[in-house]
Amino acid sequence: GQNIDQPTEMTATEGAIVQINCTYQTSGFNGLFWYQQHAGEAPTFLSYNVLDGLEEKGRFSSFLSRSKGYSYLLLKELQMKDSASYLCAVRDLNTGGFKTIFGAGTRLFVKA
Amino acid sequence: EAGVAQSPRYKIIEKRQSVAFWCNPISGHATLYWYQQILGQGPKLLIQFQNNGVVDDSQLPKDRFSAERLKGVDSTLKIQPAKLEDSAVYLCASSLDGRGAVYEQYFGPGTRLTVT
Repeated sequence: GQNIDQPTEMTATEGAIVQINCTYQTSGFNGLFWYQQHAGEAPTFLSYNVLDGLEEKGRFSSFLSRSKGYSYLLLKELQMKDSASYLCAVRDLNTGGFKTIFGAGTRLFVKA
Repeated sequence: EAGVAQSPRYKIIEKRQSVAFWCNPISGHATLYWYQQILGQGPKLLIQFQNNGVVDDSQLPKDRFSAERLKGVDSTLKIQPAKLEDSAVYLCASSLDGRGAVYEQYFGPGTRLTVT
């Protein structure tokens, strides 16, 4: 089966660094996405990792270890507007084709 | 570039009634997805289309939910009859292609359904 685990909530201070972890179990792993979702809005794409290592994009970085079934999203220089849910999603290849499975999301609160 | 369009944005119905949602994906996007997102949870894939063919509908409650994508562009999702547990946000997303190449999904604003 497929399983994705993320912490439910995290709190961090403006200007700090926060790491949001995601562990997964799938049978046909084919990449991992991170999406950001502000309350009441649709998810928006942040990053995609298919090979091991760190992908950096401005204040956001995403890391993947396929052997450990583990990824993290690193947010630097936190801003109040970063308060949102962060969704880890795994792209899985099964008999029907490619499917994206979302975790429940981590709600991040950034305080002043 | 215009984003994914959905309508209506909000809908309130009584249980056992029927409801339909409409989605217009980004022009040129071959793959279209319908997700159900219950408050506090991540999006759950209901159905995925590649052009006008179904790629995955394993989590679609087919006794009450149906979806179609005529001519490989617009799509409609219908619930008949609705149950209380169908109260959720229904998100439509599209991507350039969901098979060989990997592209991120672009989401519409969603339809918030309340079943009373």
